[in-house]
Amino acid sequence: DTAVSQTPKYLVTQMGNDKSIKCEQNLGHDTMYWYKQDSKKFLKIMFSYNNKELIINETVPNRFSPKSPDKAHLNLHINSLELGDSAVYFCASSQGASPLHFGNGTRLTVT
Amino acid sequence: GQQVMQIPQYQHVQEGEDFTTYCNSSTTLSNIQWYKQRPGGHPVFLIQLVKSGEVKKQKRLTFQFGEAKKNSSLHITATQTTDVGTYFCAGDSSARQLTFGSGTQLTVLP
Repeated sequence: DTAVSQTPKYLVTQMGNDKSIKCEQNLGHDTMYWYKQDSKKFLKIMFSYNNKELIINETVPNRFSPKSPDKAHLNLHINSLELGDSAVYFCASSQGASPLHFGNGTRLTVT
Repeated sequence: GQQVMQIPQYQHVQEGEDFTTYCNSSTTLSNIQWYKQRPGGHPVFLIQLVKSGEVKKQKRLTFQFGEAKKNSSLHITATQTTDVGTYFCAGDSSARQLTFGSGTQLTVLP
């Protein structure tokens, strides 16, 4: 199936831990994104990555670091997790300015 | 920076009633996109509007883009329980940066 897939679907961890979320797209898109959705459903862009150019949202703490081994993958690594990091994280991809295709999301719970 | 405001934040309707959500941008947009997120799901693209004053329909859904390309609306006629979810507008500026509105969570009571 052509899609944006991210793993894991659920992630429960303790404060202070380091964790990663993986994302892969087989749509042949040239741009990938990470979005954070809080409990009020607000969707905030964290990063976009296009042809090795990383665009960072300045409000994102530097504990969050995206890593893109190739055009089809964009992983998200989070250091020293905090309670406020609990949210649903969505990976998405697009081809240029075309609409976004979202993954199914990763629900992160920090205890 | 670009801001996209969306109202209302929540809307409860009786099945069969109409529903409208409104989106306003602080800057002129090159296009606006609409997405629907079912409860527990992920945002799914519905439609894109590009031209000033454009109106598009998808069955019971009507999408409008304002003449100044700074506002948009989504109207659902005769809502059904399958319409439940959160509807997001997303404005694309000339800088190719997509900014999402805060979303409208629609509940349809049977």
